[in-house]
Amino acid sequence: DSGVTQTPKHLITATGQRVTLRCSPRSGDLSVYWYQQSLDQGLQFLIHYYNGEERAKGNILERFSAQQFPDLHSELNLSSLELGDSALYFCASSEFGTSGGTDTQYFGPGTRLTVL
Amino acid sequence: DAKTTQPNSMESNEEEPVHLPCNHSTISGTDYIHWYRQLPSQGPEYVIHGLTSNVNNRMASLAIAEDRKSSTLILHRATLRDAAVYYCILRRSGNTPLVFGKGTRLSVIA
Repeated sequence: DSGVTQTPKHLITATGQRVTLRCSPRSGDLSVYWYQQSLDQGLQFLIHYYNGEERAKGNILERFSAQQFPDLHSELNLSSLELGDSALYFCASSEFGTSGGTDTQYFGPGTRLTVL
Repeated sequence: DAKTTQPNSMESNEEEPVHLPCNHSTISGTDYIHWYRQLPSQGPEYVIHGLTSNVNNRMASLAIAEDRKSSTLILHRATLRDAAVYYCILRRSGNTPLVFGKGTRLSVIA
């Protein structure tokens, strides 16, 4: 158990709909990262938040957005869903280390999204 | 980000040591070498990381070549639970996202 929780575990929805995925980081971790894993693209970084502020964006579609709340949990919002958005979505948390070091990311169990 | 090259798959017998190679010939001086693994139906899991010196922890050992252009993850006694996809990832110092390649799928035979 990594200490990172994600809800829901599974989500089935229809094209055009909007969903929200939730992530609670490990106690004390200020950074939250979101990743998408699909069969054809592998694991891809979407977005990174640190203490409520967006820090980096990866291959995140404009239809997707995220935020990190004052209690440090994060939500990933996916809208106008398409069949190709079906994937596993993972969040990971870490402490924010110094620029001279490197952090360890702890991953949640993921949310499996199926768009029909 | 500097690129890593790993074999697509490897096979090991249970209770034997496993050496998982990774080539990273374009590594820069500030790149850390990280290894993560993903067990079936689970999120990725941190294994080990290093910069220049060899590293050991309870899960594995990391051997880094003197020129840092390659590294090897060593599982000292493979168990069935070690069957997973192993990812070798280079990261600049600081807190950057992980850039996953295709990794090495390790199969462990009883």
